Amino acid sequence: NAGVTQTPKFQVLKTGQSMTLQCAQDMNHNSMYWYRQDPGMGLRLIYYSASEGTTDKGEVPNGYNVSRLNKREFSLRLESAAPSQTSVYFCASRAGANTGELFFGEGSRLTVL
Amino acid sequence: AQTVTQSQPEMSVQEAETVTLSCTYDTSENNYYLFWYKQPPSRQMILVIRQEAYKQQNATENRFSVNFQKAAKSFSLKISDSQLGDTAMYFCAFRFETSGSRLTFGEGTQLTVNP
Repeated sequence: NAGVTQTPKFQVLKTGQSMTLQCAQDMNHNSMYWYRQDPGMGLRLIYYSASEGTTDKGEVPNGYNVSRLNKREFSLRLESAAPSQTSVYFCASRAGANTGELFFGEGSRLTVL
Repeated sequence: AQTVTQSQPEMSVQEAETVTLSCTYDTSENNYYLFWYKQPPSRQMILVIRQEAYKQQNATENRFSVNFQKAAKSFSLKISDSQLGDTAMYFCAFRFETSGSRLTFGEGTQLTVNP
């Protein structure tokens, strides 16, 4: 049972470099999300996609872009990485039911030097 | 704006005892969905329990139960017979109807179960 798979799990970048975090889910879920986790701040929503073909900003979208490539895949791109983007990033997906829980990937630890 | 607050950054409990984690929220909505997630050192986020706001009965899952006080806007998690494997960060989360499919998380409470 793969569930939600995100890659890479670890990445070190230099300031100004770009990278893309990949996420794929095999549960046929409609909604997908990108969160970042920082100490003492819980999980904050960066972007989400309620359905294939749509994306919307969350609480902290600045410095990020996303692509909902198809129903399975939702990528997060950092065009010019900054030290403030050092964080653990989680991808998640959710079925359409009202009570539907989020299913999370294992997280990606990103360090920007 | 809807907010979620966990006022206890850290808690500890002895193995086999009971502990309660607190969560409060602020919303003017009537319908919403509440969740507790657990994040062990492995970093994986795991759903512990969920509650629908329109249900009066508190949810229970084995050793985990909630005390949902809608009027007080409080949603606490009780862990009975604590086990070493319960050591984790715990997050409460809400999905409000006007926020579409988004979940809003609290800051988290780090729970340590001591032998």
